Amino acid sequence: KQEVTQIPAALSVPEGENLVLNCSFTDSAIYNLQWFRQDPGKGLTSLLLIQSSQREQTSGRLNASLDKSSGRSTLYIAASQPGDSATYLCAVRPGGGNKLTFGTGTQLKVEL
Amino acid sequence: NAGVTQTPKFRVLKTGQSMTLLCAQDMNHEYMYWYRQDPGMGLRLIHYSVGEGTTAKGEVPDGYNVSRLKKQNFLLGLESAAPSQTSVYFCASSTSQNTEAFFGQGTRLTVV
Repeated sequence: KQEVTQIPAALSVPEGENLVLNCSFTDSAIYNLQWFRQDPGKGLTSLLLIQSSQREQTSGRLNASLDKSSGRSTLYIAASQPGDSATYLCAVRPGGGNKLTFGTGTQLKVEL
Repeated sequence: NAGVTQTPKFRVLKTGQSMTLLCAQDMNHEYMYWYRQDPGMGLRLIHYSVGEGTTAKGEVPDGYNVSRLKKQNFLLGLESAAPSQTSVYFCASSTSQNTEAFFGQGTRLTVV
């Protein structure tokens, strides 16, 4: 059974700092991995999707990497801003499967 | 551009009552999903559909039923609500199994 772990569960950083969020998964036979952002009381907003054949994806200040063989992904946020404060979730889709398996998220707070 | 829309946004039910949650997407996506989100447990898949007229069980299907009579709509039913079904419910859709998943804003359900 695929298990997805996100460490740390919570993170607080000062504005302007570059930071890395971690996601690890136990079964490397994945189709893709997706990073989401969730604001309190809101739905999930897709940030980046990395296919299993890709090593990284970039969108603005966000960069996500994937090392399938080691079961790891990182989300790099450059020059963090208070507006980046949210919970960040990663989810993996198994090869040939239809369901996303989610981690429990990292709650990020960017302080002024 | 509505994307994925869920109704209602909030609901309080008494134990034993029934209700239906509606998910509508305007992106012509084939795949639709229902997840529940509980503190400390991440998002778990309840049921999903790979096209109009199809449904399949996810990770936690007991106590729920679904229907996909029209491609754009995916309904989640609770026949006899229980306190254990208190949760936030999210609907999602995607073009296929290896493309980006888009989520609705969620339905917060409390069963008393």
